Amino acid sequence: EVKLQQSGDELVRPGASVKMSCKASGYTFTDYAMHWVKQSPGQGLEWIGTIIPLIDTTSYNQKFKGKATLTADKSSNTAYMELSRLTSEDSAVYYCARWSLRRVLDYWGQGVMVTVSS
Amino acid sequence: AIVLNQSPSSIVASQGEKVTITCRASSSISSNYLHWYQQKPGAFPKLVIYSTSYRASGIPSRFSGSGSGTSYSFTISRVEAEDVATYYCQQGSSNPLTFGSGTKLEIK
Repeated sequence: EVKLQQSGDELVRPGASVKMSCKASGYTFTDYAMHWVKQSPGQGLEWIGTIIPLIDTTSYNQKFKGKATLTADKSSNTAYMELSRLTSEDSAVYYCARWSLRRVLDYWGQGVMVTVSS
Repeated sequence: AIVLNQSPSSIVASQGEKVTITCRASSSISSNYLHWYQQKPGAFPKLVIYSTSYRASGIPSRFSGSGSGTSYSFTISRVEAEDVATYYCQQGSSNPLTFGSGTKLEIK
């Protein structure tokens, strides 16, 4: 069974950074790219970027360049996203999702709620 | 970036009713790369339809999709109470990946 287990919710101060994880199981981690998606409160879905774990190649939505950094650890089958210089605009739920051959996000993590507040 | 214009933004339907959501792309996309997701309240998105018309594993046959080029649609043939959710289209034809703005389905 494919499963993406994300780390817990975060409360962070403005200006700080946060790093969240997405542990994959039930498939070969290096066979699929991992994408990250943002959902602001009451809003729709916004693509942040992707990482191909096999070759550590990343691609970002221009809007999130400099804000998000994607990494992956092949030894632990875990993808990471770090968000820097957080503001209230970064308060949202962040999902990881597996990218399949049909360019579809076929499995999703449960999401990490990030709250930026002093 | 390809913009996906999804309509309507909300639907109120009775159980057993047929509902249709449309997704129009700002430029032509391959039907292989147009997909639909269901997001129930408080949950993560779930793949329902991939490549325009193929149901994902475990998805009931009342869900269907069609379309080509710039115009796509998603249909629930007979709405059930458990279908209450927001539905999103998504294109994987070109970067950046983009999503429609969502259609919130409620039951009368």
